[in-house]
Amino acid sequence: NAGVTQTPKFRVLKTGQSMTLLCAQDMNHEYMYWYRQDPGMGLRLIHYSVGEGTTAKGEVPDGYNVSRLKKQNFLLGLESAAPSQTSVYFCASSYSYGLRNTGELFFGEGSRLTVL
Amino acid sequence: GQNIDQPTEMTATEGAIVQINCTYQTSGFNGLFWYQQHAGEAPTFLSYNVLDGLEEKGRFSSFLSRSKGYSYLLLKELQMKDSASYLCAATDSNYQLIWGAGTKLIIKP
Repeated sequence: NAGVTQTPKFRVLKTGQSMTLLCAQDMNHEYMYWYRQDPGMGLRLIHYSVGEGTTAKGEVPDGYNVSRLKKQNFLLGLESAAPSQTSVYFCASSYSYGLRNTGELFFGEGSRLTVL
Repeated sequence: GQNIDQPTEMTATEGAIVQINCTYQTSGFNGLFWYQQHAGEAPTFLSYNVLDGLEEKGRFSSFLSRSKGYSYLLLKELQMKDSASYLCAATDSNYQLIWGAGTKLIIKP
């Protein structure tokens, strides 16, 4: 049972380079999220998606783009990486909220990105 | 503004009990989560409280007071493996999660 899988786990980029983080989930969840986690701060939402073909901005969307072409995949792109984007990135997925669902998030293992 | 406050770090002794507090201010409120995150790993779900009161789940219990904007996580019979960060998160009126910075719990033998 894979759950939520992120690739790559680690990456070092130079300023100005681009890259894509891939998130895949096998739980048939509608909702998917990209967070970043920095020391001393709570998880901050970058972008999220409430279903295939939809995306929305979160708290800190600048410098990032996302796509949700397939229900099971959620891609996070950095077009021109900056040192301020050095962080640990977590993908998560959840059922939609409702009487039967808590909306509990299932997280991937994280992707540690360093921008030099 | 929306805000979650929890202590940065706590220390406790193996076998003891520890209470981690969380206060929140959100635009509307639908529920409160607690997650556990071991160093270098992903957060994992511990509890979700919607109604006032205490919910017990094994060695872990979570309490919510909606009128006071307050929650706590109670860990009993502490084990070394409980050394981790504990994240508090509240859902606002749009079901968006507002996260605290986490409380690092250090367990000493």
